[in-house]
Amino acid sequence: EAQVTQNPRYLITVTGKKLTVTCSQNMNHEYMSWYRQDPGLGLRQIYYSMNVEVTDKGDVPEGYKVSRKEKRNFPLILESPSPNQTSLYFCASRAGQAHPYEQYFGPGTRLTVT
Amino acid sequence: GQNIDQPTEMTATEGAIVQINCTYQTSGFNGLFWYQQHAGEAPTFLSYNVLDGLEEKGRFSSFLSRSKGYSYLLLKELQMKDSASYLCAVREGSTLGRLYFGRGTQLTVWP
Repeated sequence: EAQVTQNPRYLITVTGKKLTVTCSQNMNHEYMSWYRQDPGLGLRQIYYSMNVEVTDKGDVPEGYKVSRKEKRNFPLILESPSPNQTSLYFCASRAGQAHPYEQYFGPGTRLTVT
Repeated sequence: GQNIDQPTEMTATEGAIVQINCTYQTSGFNGLFWYQQHAGEAPTFLSYNVLDGLEEKGRFSSFLSRSKGYSYLLLKELQMKDSASYLCAVREGSTLGRLYFGRGTQLTVWP
């Protein structure tokens, strides 16, 4: 089954404790993204990657890091989480050229930073 | 970047038709997408327009006018399960370009 998986689905942590949210897709997609979604603000892109070792900042990259060492994985790293990073996070992927119109989203990770 | 506007909320009754509008401003338009998102769940793809006109898919249709920077999503024969947030998104530049999302329209369908 074609899918994007994220782990963990729920996480409560404390300020300053480094964490990683994993994202993996099994569709051989080139393009992967991370979004955060907050009430009244909609989906905002944090980082994106057009292929292995190619990443770029989205609209709200401060406080986040990413890496793309393998095509299927795109982890989101919060080196020193703060309460303003409490949010619902979505990973997404799509093909670069072959099927340009459909973006698949992971199930979401609800993060609370206290 | 993009400037994407859509109404915050809409309500309708079962069996009715509702039209959700989306306007956008962009310097490099390369496609407009509609997604449906139920509360607490991931967005799911509904439709895609890159040329002017109407795309129909079952009860859902989407229209695009590139010259006006305007799209709408038309939902017919509304059902309770259609209560959700509907997200308009615009792709910029190329098929590898970024997707910019509007803030979503929360649709409530009443019995």
